[in-house]
Amino acid sequence: AQSVTQPDIHITVSEGASLELRCNYSYGATPYLFWYVQSPGQGLQLLLKYFSGDTLVQGIKGFEAEFKRSQSSFNLRKPSVHWSDAAEYFCAVGLYGISNFGNEKLTFGTGTRLTIIP
Amino acid sequence: KAGVTQTPRYLIKTRGQQVTLSCSPISGHRSVSWYQQTPGQGLQFLFEYFSETQRNKGNFPGRFSGRQFSNSRSEMNVSTLELGDSALYLCASSLVGAEDTQYFGPGTRLTVL
Repeated sequence: AQSVTQPDIHITVSEGASLELRCNYSYGATPYLFWYVQSPGQGLQLLLKYFSGDTLVQGIKGFEAEFKRSQSSFNLRKPSVHWSDAAEYFCAVGLYGISNFGNEKLTFGTGTRLTIIP
Repeated sequence: KAGVTQTPRYLIKTRGQQVTLSCSPISGHRSVSWYQQTPGQGLQFLFEYFSETQRNKGNFPGRFSGRQFSNSRSEMNVSTLELGDSALYLCASSLVGAEDTQYFGPGTRLTVL
């Protein structure tokens, strides 16, 4: 079964500083990879996703993520964080594709809570 | 276009009761998935419906069930509530052929006393 590890439970970053949130996955093939953000009391919003192709993926709100097959990683980055980026971030692995049709679901990591200090 | 809506947003029940949660997907979306989010277990997949049929199910007891109507709206039901069922229940919808991109609703916060 696939699994996702987010090793950092909580990260604190100064406003304007760069950010990198780590995500490692375990899966037998190249999975579909996602980053979601959840603000307090809200649902999940998709930031970006990777299926194939260019390993550097651009998302919304200035985020990007890089897929590294050799490291089984899909780390999320942002060059300069804003106070509004404070939220919880989830990495997820999806089982999609023609061969997996009918088995659509997401397996989430445990999340990383991001705190921004002025 | 309106997003995924979930009702009610908050719910308080007592042990042993049952509860029904509702999810209206984005217009045109026919796939609906449900997730449970708790501080201890994180986000866990419950089940997924498409065209009124359950296509996939997570590892939850039979007390958790769901259904989908012809208009793609979905409900989930939890019978004989336990304290551990207290959670945020999230619904997500997606387009046919684009099930990889799920759009989540704000969730229903269920508290079991």
